[in-house]
Amino acid sequence: DAGVTQSPTHLIKTRGQQVTLRCSPKSGHDTVSWYQQALGQGPQFIFQYYEEEERQRGNFPDRFSGHQFPNYSSELNVNALLLGDSALYLCASSLVVTGELFFGEGSRLTVL
Amino acid sequence: DAKTTQPTSMDCAEGRAANLPCNHSTISGNEYVYWYRQIHSQGPQYIIHGLKNNETNEMASLIITEDRKSSTLILPHATLRDTAVYYCIVRVVGNAGNMLTFGGGTRLMVKP
Repeated sequence: DAGVTQSPTHLIKTRGQQVTLRCSPKSGHDTVSWYQQALGQGPQFIFQYYEEEERQRGNFPDRFSGHQFPNYSSELNVNALLLGDSALYLCASSLVVTGELFFGEGSRLTVL
Repeated sequence: DAKTTQPTSMDCAEGRAANLPCNHSTISGNEYVYWYRQIHSQGPQYIIHGLKNNETNEMASLIITEDRKSSTLILPHATLRDTAVYYCIVRVVGNAGNMLTFGGGTRLMVKP
């Protein structure tokens, strides 16, 4: 039973560029949430997707957007990258919007 | 969600019990106490949760005070692999969704 998988594991971008991160949820899960974790801090909630719609959103600008596909996988897009966007981006899946969260290993983004 | 207060760091000898405290003095009656941990370079991992009764599973025990203003996570026989950041989180379970608000956590170092 595959857990939550994320890709890529590491990537480097420059300021102003755009990035897309991908997440496949744990088998049987239909809800995906995204978190940002800056170095030395706890994860911060970005948004949650269920039934291909954004259901909840944290305090992140519109540069952060997402998508959920019919197979429940999800993408996180960040436009106009800033140095401060450098972080570990974590995907978590659950069964329905109230279920327990299972996290992936994350995608580490470095913005130069 | 209520705020939590945890010590920044703790040490524990291998084979001994690790007792990790958490204060949540403003917890509401419908908020649960959750514990997650994050081993270096991995995503957070669910440990245990409870409402007001003490809970135990294969990983740990959770002791919640009678007034619910504080709790203690107990790892009965800590091993080197338990070295991680431990997060205490309080949240409502139900239609409000499953967003987690992470604080800074406690960095537990298990020493041989």
